[in-house]
Amino acid sequence: GAVVSQHPSWVICKSGTSVKIECRSLDFQATTMFWYRQFPKQSLMLMATSNEGSKATYEQGVEKDKFLINHASLTLSTLTVTSAHPEDSSFYICSAGDPDTQYFGPGTRLTVL
Amino acid sequence: SQQGEEDPQALSIQEGENATMNCSYKTSINNLQWYRQNSGRGLVHLILIRSNEREKHSGRLRVTLDTSKKSSSLLITASRAADTASYFCATERPGANSKLTFGKGITLSVRP
Repeated sequence: GAVVSQHPSWVICKSGTSVKIECRSLDFQATTMFWYRQFPKQSLMLMATSNEGSKATYEQGVEKDKFLINHASLTLSTLTVTSAHPEDSSFYICSAGDPDTQYFGPGTRLTVL
Repeated sequence: SQQGEEDPQALSIQEGENATMNCSYKTSINNLQWYRQNSGRGLVHLILIRSNEREKHSGRLRVTLDTSKKSSSLLITASRAADTASYFCATERPGANSKLTFGKGITLSVRP
């Protein structure tokens, strides 16, 4: 099946700094990618839809100025958590695929101290 | 908001037994999908069932869909210790363009 990678797999940062997470589709092109956030023992919550060559579409309650998404190519989307705070600590997962199957990246564990 | 609600929230069974997990949803859907997540890892797509389908099989997996009751079930037969994971149902609504809404998940533990 198709492969989606994420980098880094985990990151620890200080409060107030910005962190960039990459999501790549390795063997297919993705005009659309999705970013999710998952808190411990909870479900995935969709944060935004990343659209290649255009602005991302954010879900209600997600601050677009805090979670910057860039989808500059058909194989790469980035999520930047700006001015991170401890409450942003979470597991961030991206996905890409076709209407029938979404392929998920392995996730990025963000810890903000 | 949560579209899917799975039950039970946690299930513990003996290896070799069957595991049945249920999911209910609230709105109309294009399809319903089941995913598996091992602890701290990404999700793996297990099976998709479309709104006009009632049952699908894939290996040891059997999925049913009852759109009148807005519910689905995932049956894993002859469970193995390696099936231990969290299982999520996810729905795609009409016009959602692959955007999925996930349920809260079920933690399955299979005892060797």
